[in-house]
Amino acid sequence: ILNVEQSPQSLHVQEGDSTNFTCSFPSSNFYALHWYRWETAKSPEALFVMTLNGDEKKKGRISATLNTKEGYSYLYIKGSQPEDSATYLCASNRDDKIIFGKGTRLHILP
Amino acid sequence: GAGVSQSPSNKVTEKGKDVELRCDPISGHTALYWYRQSLGQGLEFLIYFQGNSAPDKSGLPSDRFSAERTGGSVSTLTIQRTQQEDSAVYLCASSLFSLRENDLDTQYFGPGTRLTVL
Repeated sequence: ILNVEQSPQSLHVQEGDSTNFTCSFPSSNFYALHWYRWETAKSPEALFVMTLNGDEKKKGRISATLNTKEGYSYLYIKGSQPEDSATYLCASNRDDKIIFGKGTRLHILP
Repeated sequence: GAGVSQSPSNKVTEKGKDVELRCDPISGHTALYWYRQSLGQGLEFLIYFQGNSAPDKSGLPSDRFSAERTGGSVSTLTIQRTQQEDSAVYLCASSLFSLRENDLDTQYFGPGTRLTVL
């Protein structure tokens, strides 16, 4: 693949449930994979940067894994809370560009 | 400390006019990035600066777009002869290191400039 693809595009999750979504990226000329959280009317906020195959990062209830050989990353949210509602973007550094996916829009249902 | 700032926050212009968007990165950040988000689209990478130079300008949508960065700090994105399809939110980000350096290149985004071309 040449683009960064994220799935699903949109996701509704009951408060308290755990969820995960996927980012697929070109595995050639890979440097780093970023995850961002983008709330409506705010700027994107960096969550994780990962560079090595097998990397796992965690920040509170959110964690991410990286597979550079097959070109995918998962973002996990444990015990979803209303404040987790946002668009989650992933981006891949490749050569001198950074390519973003279109995001997964997460809605947490009360 | 101060984050990335952008000005203006909103810009409405008439088709055919030139506009200049400004980005003030976090002090000491080597790399600066410009993106845009058109309605219903994801973030589109435009250009990135490593210091004052831009290794790759191919992300700029057309030759009406240009960007410069002086003194390794402030950057301006200029759009000449604006068209309606240029309407978008233009986001700037900066990071301590450049894209080809280690994994500490976390980007910090500014609030964006919403450009509307009538």
